[in-house]
Amino acid sequence: TQLLEQSPQFLSIQEGENLTVYCNSSSVFSSLQWYRQEPGEGPVLLVTVVTGGEVKKLKRLTFQFGDARKDSSLHITAAQPGDTGLYLCAGARGNTPLVFGKGTRLSVIA
Amino acid sequence: SAVISQKPSRDICQRGTSLTIQCQVDSQVTMMFWYRQQPGQSLTLIATANQGSEATYESGFVIDKFPISRPNLTFSTLTVSNMSPEDSSIYLCSVEERVWGAGELFFGEGSRLTVL
Repeated sequence: TQLLEQSPQFLSIQEGENLTVYCNSSSVFSSLQWYRQEPGEGPVLLVTVVTGGEVKKLKRLTFQFGDARKDSSLHITAAQPGDTGLYLCAGARGNTPLVFGKGTRLSVIA
Repeated sequence: SAVISQKPSRDICQRGTSLTIQCQVDSQVTMMFWYRQQPGQSLTLIATANQGSEATYESGFVIDKFPISRPNLTFSTLTVSNMSPEDSSIYLCSVEERVWGAGELFFGEGSRLTVL
């Protein structure tokens, strides 16, 4: 059973389009992180959200943590080819290891 | 932020052989983590490597299959023993830094193993 479900699994869009990636769980997390991984590289942290309802913006990326701290979304405005990569959400619960979702593989076509 | 180097970056291995992956960090860290990333799957924690003590393995992973060394605070190795095609995966080394209570994981570039 996957603790963190990400959707969609794959996404291919044209440059300039907007998109939203979702990360859902039936469990409550103390914090949730989003990482981006490019081919041949390890994941790199984009953001950490810790408060229910929290919204964080990072240039064209908007991250939201659900009020109940069970889900999160990542919205990208005006996607660019440089946004291409694997987006992973990861949830923290106390001192247990981070739990990762399977990821959303995004391809932005110029 | 920590800088992590892994080698080899990729390798093709024969069934039944073993391969050791090295992980070097540019700063001293207490814990180092080894993850597996199988095709189409999420990152799965194999074990936590502590300097001066036995590694702590997650459910489904055993020391005989994935022996780990941690000789000092900047280096660790993971060996994948008696490999089978099911071990084909990316293996990632990671360390954690904590700022304001929330930890951030820094990863190496990964070691992509293909077992024939």
